[in-house]
Amino acid sequence: QVQLKQWGAGLVKPSETLSLTCGVYGESFSGYSWTWIRQPPGKGLEWIGEISHSGSTNYSPSLKSRVTISIDTSKTQFSLHLSSLTAADTALYFCARGRESYTILSAFKPPRRESLHFDYWGQGILVTVSS
Amino acid sequence: EIVLTQSPGTLSLSPGEGATLSCRASQSVGRTSLVWYQQVPGQAPRLLLYGASNRATDIPDRFSGGGSGTDFTLSISRLEPEDFAVYYCQHYGTSVTFGQGTRLEIK
Repeated sequence: QVQLKQWGAGLVKPSETLSLTCGVYGESFSGYSWTWIRQPPGKGLEWIGEISHSGSTNYSPSLKSRVTISIDTSKTQFSLHLSSLTAADTALYFCARGRESYTILSAFKPPRRESLHFDYWGQGILVTVSS
Repeated sequence: EIVLTQSPGTLSLSPGEGATLSCRASQSVGRTSLVWYQQVPGQAPRLLLYGASNRATDIPDRFSGGGSGTDFTLSISRLEPEDFAVYYCQHYGTSVTFGQGTRLEIK
């Protein structure tokens, strides 16, 4: 059974950097997308970004300038760093495992990713940005 | 970027009734890219359906999904007390977007 467990600081000052880590237990780390999603209090879900086992990243356009996601395959962990924090970054932060499907276009082109959904989630950490 | 609009915002029903939730995309999307989640407040979302209509592991068959193009639905037959929660649709294009959610509450 796959488990994702998150840890990190729950209170961060404005202008500083949020740092969270997600540990993956119980199954292979490869072959999946590892993702961060957040949810401001009382609001909906917002995708932050993802990293593959090989370390390639894809970030939300609205957060791209402030986000770094990294991976440590030896520890089966991945991390989120979000800089220049404001009160608007106060949210419940989740890590999640992404499952993908691909379409093979031709022998001469890389496969195209058709879908991505999230089947296992961490427990969530509330991060409050306040002085 | 595709925008997903869910309706209604809140749906009030009684246990035993059926529910139909809507997710409309701002442009046509493939069925394979449309996903539904259930979230109880304070908990992580739970995957319900992927590829618009494929139930995830351990999801009961009273949950079903349909639709194509820009209009997708999540149907729940015979509502159980544990079904009253918030439901989100999600799409993957070059990035991930979520609808704003539909709250299913007990009437």
